[in-house]
Amino acid sequence: GENVEQHPSTLSVQEGDSAVIKCTYSDSASNYFPWYKQELGKRPQLIIDIRSNVGEKKDQRIAVTLNKTAKHFSLHITETQPEDSAVYFCAADGLNFNKFYFGSGTKLNVKP
Amino acid sequence: GAVVSQHPSRVICKSGTSVKIECRSLDFQATTMFWYRQFPKQSLMLMATSNEGSKATYEQGVEKDKFLINHASLTLSTLTVTSAHPEDSSFYICSAVYPSNEKLFFGSGTQLSVL
Repeated sequence: GENVEQHPSTLSVQEGDSAVIKCTYSDSASNYFPWYKQELGKRPQLIIDIRSNVGEKKDQRIAVTLNKTAKHFSLHITETQPEDSAVYFCAADGLNFNKFYFGSGTKLNVKP
Repeated sequence: GAVVSQHPSRVICKSGTSVKIECRSLDFQATTMFWYRQFPKQSLMLMATSNEGSKATYEQGVEKDKFLINHASLTLSTLTVTSAHPEDSSFYICSAVYPSNEKLFFGSGTQLSVL
């Protein structure tokens, strides 16, 4: 099945700086790559996603890039704010219908 | 986005008892739902795929007799942790795919504590 690896496991940035989280996947058949933000004790919230027919997608301060050849995708957060502090998970869909595989998570800490 | 409701949000039970967790898709029909387990500071571990009208598909290493899944309708899947033990204590969370955009949405999770 699909194997998704995520780095770094923890990331600490100063407020206003940018943060980048990277993921790689193993199954070239994967076509959909969502990113989730999870605050402590709460549900993961979908923040942005990208499909394999595009290389980049942006939504205000958040962007995702995808390199299908290299099988990696990244989350970019610009002008970080303390409320961006959370755990972020990347995911990739698998061969089975709508089955998702998650990365190990990145704990982002934005220092005021 | 789509709304996935999960209840209860927190449950404390004695060792040996069974606990049922409900996952509902409130504004859409979900033929497939997923159940995850999450340990503190760790990722989401897929336990099983719940299929409406048929048996659930369990991931390797997950005991199907321990974690009973029932997907009796297009809007409801239940996970029953049978004969719970302290090692079953964890955060359990369900998810469902919203058919109109094929995006995955999560329930609010259930924190299970077995004494």
